[in-house]
Amino acid sequence: NAGVTQTPKFRVLKTGQSMTLLCAQDMNHEYMYWYRQDPGMGLRLIHYSVGEGTTAKGEVPDGYNVSRLKKQNFLLGLESAAPSQTSVYFCASTYRPIGTQYFGPGTRLLVL
Amino acid sequence: GIQVEQSPPDLILQEGANSTLRCNFSDSVNNLQWFHQNPWGQLINLFYIPSGTKQNGRLSATTVATERYSLLYISSSQTTDSGVYFCAVERYGGTSYGKLTFGQGTILTVHP
Repeated sequence: NAGVTQTPKFRVLKTGQSMTLLCAQDMNHEYMYWYRQDPGMGLRLIHYSVGEGTTAKGEVPDGYNVSRLKKQNFLLGLESAAPSQTSVYFCASTYRPIGTQYFGPGTRLLVL
Repeated sequence: GIQVEQSPPDLILQEGANSTLRCNFSDSVNNLQWFHQNPWGQLINLFYIPSGTKQNGRLSATTVATERYSLLYISSSQTTDSGVYFCAVERYGGTSYGKLTFGQGTILTVHP
């Protein structure tokens, strides 16, 4: 039981490049989330999904897109990376919304 | 949106000391969680505690929902307790989606 995993662990992009971050969970959770964490700050919600085939915007969705084609996977895309998107990205999942959220190890992204 | 304030922002302890971390929130909540982020960046859920008191080993938490605050107690602190402690909440109202709003965190350093 791996829990929540994230791929890649670290990535460097140039401004304007695109990339996709993958989050996978093996706990059969319905709800999945993408957060970003900037230095000295708490986490902020980017997008979330309440089930396979659904996505919704969180607090800071601009510049990101997401997809949940399979229940176990939640993808976060950056179509045209900007330096302001340099951050650590965390994925989380939970079986029910009012309950414990389980976090992945994070993806450190540097946009030059 | 809901505001979450944590205090103190920084805390330095000697091993064996006790401490209390506080989380104030500006609106009614139906979801409150405490997390520990270790020095390697991993986020671990400590408690799901929208109301009442829970204990887990040397850690305990109390949420007084009517007064909009939660406390995290750490007793007999150890160096492995070092890291950042986050409080995260979801505002009460209608359908819950697990959309957590995080505080800024309390940075705890425990010296041997």
